[in-house]
Amino acid sequence: DQQVKQNSPSLSVQEGRISILNCDYTNSMFDYFLWYKKYPAEGPTFLISISSIKDKNEDGRFTVFLNKSAKHLSLHIVPSQPGDSAVYFCAASGTGGKLIFGQGTELSVKP
Amino acid sequence: KAGVTQTPRYLIKTRGQQVTLSCSPISGHRSVSWYQQTPGQGLQFLFEYFSETQRNKGNFPGRFSGRQFSNSRSEMNVSTLELGDSALYLCASSKWRAGDTDTQYFGPGTRLTVL
Repeated sequence: DQQVKQNSPSLSVQEGRISILNCDYTNSMFDYFLWYKKYPAEGPTFLISISSIKDKNEDGRFTVFLNKSAKHLSLHIVPSQPGDSAVYFCAASGTGGKLIFGQGTELSVKP
Repeated sequence: KAGVTQTPRYLIKTRGQQVTLSCSPISGHRSVSWYQQTPGQGLQFLFEYFSETQRNKGNFPGRFSGRQFSNSRSEMNVSTLELGDSALYLCASSKWRAGDTDTQYFGPGTRLTVL
């Protein structure tokens, strides 16, 4: 049973436009959510996080939105840059202290 | 501040052998978690250590084990290697407790190939 899902395996966006990456979860006990960016053969790099007591968190070009009633979060990147091309993972945590990852979305930003 | 380091970066073993991977967390971080990444299963949690104690464990067979030392460095061991153990093994550290509101920071990973 996959508790965290990223239903879009890939996304292609033009440079300068907005990239929106989506993530759904099923476990209402999750209380902290994170987004990581990953290049091949490297470890994930932390991007941004959000606690379940908030519905938005912003850091520069990156904004994460959380809709608890829909069990949905999204990552917005504005404006998108070619260097943003990578695989993006959302992850969730709750009691028990482990991160549950989605399957990832490969973002391609074209010049 | 130095990041999470993992050694070795690449490893080739044959079936039936055992392997030990090492992880040094960010200075001051006391929690270390291990993950396995494969193309088919994505990133899956193996176990977490805090103050030399395993506090949480994922759904992996007993061939996968780990430990943490007093300086927070951690090792994971896989015995009786199988072809399916070929993967990128990632270590992550956090200040107090993996998950909750404490962010985990990842190392570059060890790429294990089992022949």
